[in-house]
Amino acid sequence: DVKVTQSSRYLVKRTGEKVFLECVQDMDHENMFWYRQDPGLGLRLIYFSYDVKMKEKGDIPEGYSVSREKKERFSLILESASTNQTSMYLCASSLLRYTGELFFGEGSRLTVL
Amino acid sequence: GQNIDQPTEMTATEGAIVQINCTYQTSGFNGLFWYQQHAGEAPTFLSYNVLDGLEEKGRFSSFLSRSKGYSYLLLKELQMKDSASYLCAVMDSNYQLIWGAGTKLIIKP
Repeated sequence: DVKVTQSSRYLVKRTGEKVFLECVQDMDHENMFWYRQDPGLGLRLIYFSYDVKMKEKGDIPEGYSVSREKKERFSLILESASTNQTSMYLCASSLLRYTGELFFGEGSRLTVL
Repeated sequence: GQNIDQPTEMTATEGAIVQINCTYQTSGFNGLFWYQQHAGEAPTFLSYNVLDGLEEKGRFSSFLSRSKGYSYLLLKELQMKDSASYLCAVMDSNYQLIWGAGTKLIIKP
């Protein structure tokens, strides 16, 4: 079974802090994604990566950056957290590039005070 | 703009059948996907439709009409464990997934 592991289930940070959200997948998938999930809204794509050291902006990249130094690990970085970044963050991976069949981690719920 | 619509919440009875609708307006179409998400858990892939018609997978079926921009997920013989949110997503012409806000399904005994 594919396993996507997100390092922290719950985080509480203060405004202005730097936040790292880590995601690791164990199925050798090329493609990895970061989404945020907010009540009443569909999942929104922040960044994605189709290869090591490659990254592409999604629909809402402002205030975020990513790092993909190794194939299995995709990190989301909030350089200076703000209260409007309080959300559930979901990491996902996929075997094929152009597929909607994603494997998700259980999410990281971030609260910014 | 691109839009996916699904009901916010539905209630059904254990053992019954429920149909969750999804309508979409997107720039192109490369498939429609349904996911299940239990509270506090990861979304998990349920089904994929790219051609018109019904795809059956055990108690779950998914239907697609591309001309109407419409899909539904049919759940039969409902069980309490089917209480979850069901997410509809469409892949557009750029192979980007557009997601609906999800339908929270409540199953009552």
